[in-house]
Amino acid sequence: DIQMTQSPSSLSASVGDRVTITCRASQDIRDDLGWYQQKPGKAPKRLIFAAASSLQSGVPSRFSGSGSGTEFTLTISSLQPEDFATYYCLQYKGYPWTFGQGTKVEIK
Amino acid sequence: EVQLLESGGGLVQPGGSLRLSCAVSGITFSTYGMNWVRQAPGKGLDWVSGISFSGDSTYYADSVKGRFTISRDNSKNTLFLQMTSLRAEDTAVYYCATDFHYYDTYWGLGTLVTVSS
Repeated sequence: DIQMTQSPSSLSASVGDRVTITCRASQDIRDDLGWYQQKPGKAPKRLIFAAASSLQSGVPSRFSGSGSGTEFTLTISSLQPEDFATYYCLQYKGYPWTFGQGTKVEIK
Repeated sequence: EVQLLESGGGLVQPGGSLRLSCAVSGITFSTYGMNWVRQAPGKGLDWVSGISFSGDSTYYADSVKGRFTISRDNSKNTLFLQMTSLRAEDTAVYYCATDFHYYDTYWGLGTLVTVSS
């Protein structure tokens, strides 16, 4: 099985800060990775498709993804109040699909 | 508008069974692979099971293999998850979601399954 190691598990940041979240895959997953945002009581929402190549429709351009193979990064260039949430990566290269453990982004 | 609506959740005793449904509208259901993803209270996301667009291929997480069965009825645009031998650790919100390989991806709102005596 492919393991996804996500870091950090939580972070505190201020509005306007640049935030970076990392996922590391236990084996090469090419770019078969998505980034999700989840707010309390809501279903996850995909932000980034195919690791870095596609921002989902309606997602602000302050969100970006990078990486390929085993190392991936989600960056929020200037954190906004509505971005405080939990973020997950998901690999869909090989079954079983696996999520990272999540990163909770909190207000400093 | 695309809608995925889960139903069938509820309270069940350990060892019991439950069948979840996911009614899909607004897309050509028969062309999408589908998934079930769950989230235990206060925990992260956990992929449970997947099925190909035709229903010919099914996939399971080790934690549910042999206890859960995924299926679909393309004539009724509905996805199912038959859950048996339920355990306390199966308590979670269960989401259905379309294939992650495509740009257009959709999730339902979830249905809560509680396994408790």
